Formats: sequence, C-alpha cells, structure tokens
Amino acid sequence: EIVMTQSPATLSVSPGERATLSCRASQSVSSKLAWYQQKPGQAPRLLIYAASTRATGTPGRFSGSGSGTEFTLTISSLQSEDFAVYYCQQYNDWPLTFGPGTKVDIK
Amino acid sequence: QVQLVQSGAEVKKPGASVKVSCKTSGYTFSSSGISWVRQAPGQGLEWMGWIGGYNGDTKYAQNLQDRVTMNIDTSTSTAFMELRSLRSDDTAVYYCARYPITPGGSWGQGTLVTVSS
Repeated sequence: EIVMTQSPATLSVSPGERATLSCRASQSVSSKLAWYQQKPGQAPRLLIYAASTRATGTPGRFSGSGSGTEFTLTISSLQSEDFAVYYCQQYNDWPLTFGPGTKVDIK
Repeated sequence: QVQLVQSGAEVKKPGASVKVSCKTSGYTFSSSGISWVRQAPGQGLEWMGWIGGYNGDTKYAQNLQDRVTMNIDTSTSTAFMELRSLRSDDTAVYYCARYPITPGGSWGQGTLVTVSS
C-alpha cells in the first residue's frame, strides 16, 4: 500500500498571504495525484488532479506541482473561503490512499 | 450536470448491516466506476473500495474486504455499498465518488451511519 504523508498538519496563514502545502508518497505515483478541499459539514471538493490540472471551477490562485513522490499545493493569495482542510490522494495504484490532511486556519 | 445522490442517514446496532445507495445521473453510468470513501467524526478520509460501472468489477480495502460488498444496478444507474457486522468505530459519514477522476470531480453529499447500542 502506498502511504501518503502531508505537512504541516496545521498551517496558520493571514488572508492575502501565500500558502504552500506538501504531500509525499512512499513510492512513486507518477502524476496520479489529486488534491481535495473540505470544509466542515461538506463533502470533499476536487481542486487539482493529475498533480497540476485544475478541476472545473477551481480558482486560478490554486496550483499544483510535482511528480513521483513529492507534490505541492500552492494557494497564491489566501481568501476567506480557502480556510479548510486539504487532502492529497494517490490514484496510481490500488488501494487508493489519502494523506492525513493539512488544516489551513486563520493566523 | 453530473449528480450523485445518496440515501439518508442510518442508525444501526452493533452487529447489524447497513446498505447505502448512490444514485447517479448526468453521465453514462457504464463509462466509469464509483469509489466509496468514509470519514469518522473528526478524522480523515478512508478509501473503502471501488466498483466498475460497466461490469461490476470490484476492488476493496484490505481491512474491510471481509465485511464490505459493493454492487450496482445498471437499470437505475445506482451503486450500493453494504457493510456487515457493524462496530462502533464504523460510525462515519460515507461518501460515493465517481472514479476515474473527471474534471468535475463528482461526489455524493454523504450518508451518516451511526452505530450505537
């Protein structure tokens, strides 16, 4: 099973600042990596797939990069609606696995 | 537009079974499959398994494979997830999601399953 790790566990950021979230896979997942945003009481929302492709409706301030085992989600200028938990998921191999999440909260 | 609509909340006793449905619309059901993901209160996302929309082929998480069954009804474009021998730590919100991932990233709204005596 491919183990996904995320850092940091919590990221405190002021509105308008840049946020950088990391995701690491225990073995290569090529570019088969997705990022999800989840707010309390809501289903996860797909932000990025194929490591760097924005999903339908994802604002341009979200960008993904990386391949192999190291991935990054960058939010260029945090808006109030971006404070949430972010999960990465690999879909290169079964079982599909998620990282433990990074909570982005207001500094 | 693509929609995945799940069945309503359930309360079950330990040892019972629960069956959650996920009715899809807005796309050709057989063109992709459905993943099931659960989230215990205050916890992260756990992938449970996947079922293909064409032939019902399945992949299950190893820790659940003895207790979970996924199936489909192509006539109604609906996927089902049954979990047996429920325990208190199965209390969670259960989600269905279209897989392979598509640009629209479609997920159901979630179904809360509470296991309590």
